[in-house]
Amino acid sequence: QVQLQQSGPGLVKPSQTLSLTCAISGDSLSNNNAAWNWIRQSPSRGLEWLGRTYYRSKWYNDYAGSVKSRITINPDTPNNQFSLHLNSVTPEDTAVYYCVRDYQGIDYWGQGTLVTVSS
Amino acid sequence: DIQMTQSPSSLSASVGDRVTITCRASQSISNYLNWYQQKPGEAPKILIHAASSLQSGVPSRFSGTGSGTDFTLTISSLQPEDFSSTYYCQQFYTLPYTFGQGTRPEIK
Repeated sequence: QVQLQQSGPGLVKPSQTLSLTCAISGDSLSNNNAAWNWIRQSPSRGLEWLGRTYYRSKWYNDYAGSVKSRITINPDTPNNQFSLHLNSVTPEDTAVYYCVRDYQGIDYWGQGTLVTVSS
Repeated sequence: DIQMTQSPSSLSASVGDRVTITCRASQSISNYLNWYQQKPGEAPKILIHAASSLQSGVPSRFSGTGSGTDFTLTISSLQPEDFSSTYYCQQFYTLPYTFGQGTRPEIK
């Protein structure tokens, strides 16, 4: 059974960096058939895909254009986890953030982290 | 980006009703469409992959059809636990993945 366990702060100040980590159990970050994504959800923007990292003989990343200049997703193979870093946040980045596995559809989700951007 | 439009946004139905939710893509996405159910306070859960493939453990009252730009999710006999949920479509034809705005059945 795959489990994704998210960790990170729930409150971030404007202009600072939002950082979350997703620890994977029951699967390998280097699974050649899976991709590891971050998605967020807010009342104003709905469900929004942010980006992904995946391994196909080497590591690849893809990011949504809406956040491309501010986002980094890093694989951490020794710890079987991956992270999200979103810099220069504003109140519009307030949302529930999910890490997810995309295998045949998005089949596993983390528990979600409500991140509020406020001073 | 591909825009996904669901209709209706909400619907009024009774237990046992047959319910159909429609999802329309702004361009053809072949069958690269998933359906999810989200209960309050929980993460979404995949119901259907690739337009019509029912995921393991999902009740058979859920089914999906469609290809190209028009897709449907049908619940053949609405159950009480289905009312508290919101249903979303999602295209995975191209990046960025995009979702519909959601449809929530309400008790008539």
